[in-house]
Amino acid sequence: NAGVTQNPKFQVLKTGQSMTLQCAQDMNHNSMYWYRQDPGMGLRLIYYSASEGTTDKGEVPNGYNVSRLNKREFSLRLESAAPSQTSVYFCAISLGARETQYFGPGTRLLVL
Amino acid sequence: QKEVEQNSGPLSVPEGAIASLNCTYSDRGSQSFFWYRQYSGKSPELIMFIYSNGDKEDGRFTAQLNKASQYVSLLIRDSQPSDSATYLCAVRGILTGGGNKLTFGTGTQLKVEL
Repeated sequence: NAGVTQNPKFQVLKTGQSMTLQCAQDMNHNSMYWYRQDPGMGLRLIYYSASEGTTDKGEVPNGYNVSRLNKREFSLRLESAAPSQTSVYFCAISLGARETQYFGPGTRLLVL
Repeated sequence: QKEVEQNSGPLSVPEGAIASLNCTYSDRGSQSFFWYRQYSGKSPELIMFIYSNGDKEDGRFTAQLNKASQYVSLLIRDSQPSDSATYLCAVRGILTGGGNKLTFGTGTQLKVEL
């Protein structure tokens, strides 16, 4: 997975609980991304970070916050989980002159 | 109209045949196009990218791009059961905050039958 790790691999939450999804890369890349994947919806961008210390909203940011404290780590936080946030979450980095994106292994989240 | 459209399938082909996967996109200014393969329960894996009109070949895979028709395709020759997966088409755009955005189609499920 292009040196991208994600934790946890699987999580079950109750509605209203909070959690942080962790993503780390060991390739010193600037740009990192969080996507969610839902059946019939494809992959959708939640937040991204073009460089350390900067973050911006993607297509579906509501209900999420992110943090890019250093170049290596980009975390996604759900402050009050909702069943609509049940999904598979992928972290990605971009690599090379064309900034081709490579994905981590994913976190499966179930909100009851 | 969706930004990136793919037939969801499933597309079934016999082993050894050519599988043809298609994708259309709405933004005429798009310049970069990607094909990802995703096995069930796994993350998307980059297969190929293409930027110029015409064909690009890599082993058993050929990507075809026609910007005038806003059409991208992926051909898989000598299809194998291990090629059974969902294939995602992605189109690159630019993010206002820097970095680049990929807009994905919903994917085409390919089944290669023995």
